[in-house]
Amino acid sequence: DIVMTQTPLSLSVTPGQPASISCKSSQSLLHSDGNTYLHWYLQKPGQSPQLLMYEVSSRFSGVPDRFSGSGSGTDFTLKISRVEAEDVGVYYCMQGIHLPLTFGGGTKVEIK
Amino acid sequence: EMQLVESGGGIVQPGGSLRLSCAASGFTFSTYWMYWVRQAPGRGLVWVARVNPDESVIEYADSVKGRFTISRDNAKNTLYLQMNSLRAEDTAMYYCGKDRNWNALDVWGPGTMVTVSS
Repeated sequence: DIVMTQTPLSLSVTPGQPASISCKSSQSLLHSDGNTYLHWYLQKPGQSPQLLMYEVSSRFSGVPDRFSGSGSGTDFTLKISRVEAEDVGVYYCMQGIHLPLTFGGGTKVEIK
Repeated sequence: EMQLVESGGGIVQPGGSLRLSCAASGFTFSTYWMYWVRQAPGRGLVWVARVNPDESVIEYADSVKGRFTISRDNAKNTLYLQMNSLRAEDTAMYYCGKDRNWNALDVWGPGTMVTVSS
């Protein structure tokens, strides 16, 4: 199974400041079709997960442009340029290339 | 608006069975891969199973293989998860999800809670 490792476990951020979450996979997520199937989800408190980014760097519909994704192969990063109160929750990366599909352990983002 | 709503959760004894349902609306259900993902209390997300539009491809996590069965009724726009031989470690919130492409789930239901306890 592909192991997805997220760091840090938690993050406390002042509103307006940037935040960054790392996600590393135990195998490359680059497919032979040239795409990389690494996705990011946000689970807000008391809610179900929601898709934030797909294929490393594509923002899903309605996701603010303060969110950006980058990386390749086995190393990926989600960045929030200026954290807002509505960004609190647990962020998960997920690899979509190999079965079983696996998620990172999650990074909890809180507001200072 | 695309929507998924799960039902069928509850409290069941070890070794018992439950059938979860996921009702879909607002999109052409019959053309999408569908998924079940679970989350134990205070824990992270774990993929359970997925099924392609015509049920010709069905895949499971090893932890549920042989005990759980995913299925769908495209005429009723409904996804199912038949859970047999339930164990305490199956206790979780169960979410259904719709695939956007390559396992990026763009629609999730609110979840239904399954508790396995004597």
